[in-house]
Amino acid sequence: EIVLTQSPGTLSLSPGERATLSCKASQSVSRRWFAWYQQKPGQPPRLLIHDVSTRATGIPDRFSGSGSGTDFTLTISRLEPEDFAMYFCHQYGSSLPWTFGQGTKVEIK
Amino acid sequence: QITLKESGPTLVKPTQTLTLTCTFSGFSLSTSGVGVGWIRQPPGKALEWLALIYWNDDKSYSPSLKSRLTITKDTSKNQVVLIMTNLVPVDTGTYYCAHLPGYCSGGSCYRGAFDVWGQGTMVTVSS
Repeated sequence: EIVLTQSPGTLSLSPGERATLSCKASQSVSRRWFAWYQQKPGQPPRLLIHDVSTRATGIPDRFSGSGSGTDFTLTISRLEPEDFAMYFCHQYGSSLPWTFGQGTKVEIK
Repeated sequence: QITLKESGPTLVKPTQTLTLTCTFSGFSLSTSGVGVGWIRQPPGKALEWLALIYWNDDKSYSPSLKSRLTITKDTSKNQVVLIMTNLVPVDTGTYYCAHLPGYCSGGSCYRGAFDVWGQGTMVTVSS
């Protein structure tokens, strides 16, 4: 099983600041089957990034994904008030099970 | 517009069987490459992938839960059903179904990530 470890657990920032979220995989993720989700309380996850760096439909360009192999990053260039939420990374590669990280909470400082 | 909605019991006793239905619209599970998955989330915790069924009836299960899970589809009703047996309290959580986009071309298939999720249904396992 590929274990995804996200860091930090909590990120305290102010609106307008840059957020950098990390996700490290215990094994190399096959091809580019890696995604990021945003989740707010009481809501389902919302797909932000798939295939490592492709923004999902309707996602603003302040969100960007990068990485390869075992190290992946989600960057939010300038935090908007609606960006304060929980973020999960996810690998959906060729080896089962598909797994999610434990989450990074981005909170208002 | 793709939508999915989960339905099923909110309270289940330990050792009982849980049957969840995902009713969807805006896509067909007979379209090459497409799939529907189930993911759950205990209160305040991370997401856990459970199972996936593809347009061609191929199925995948979480290895740790495989013996307890069955996923099926009814293409004519636009529904996917997940059955989980022998429930225990740690199975408590919100259960989501989600659309998996994909396409096949020239003998190869591409899949995306879960792009549209249902609102989820909360299931509590308690006596």
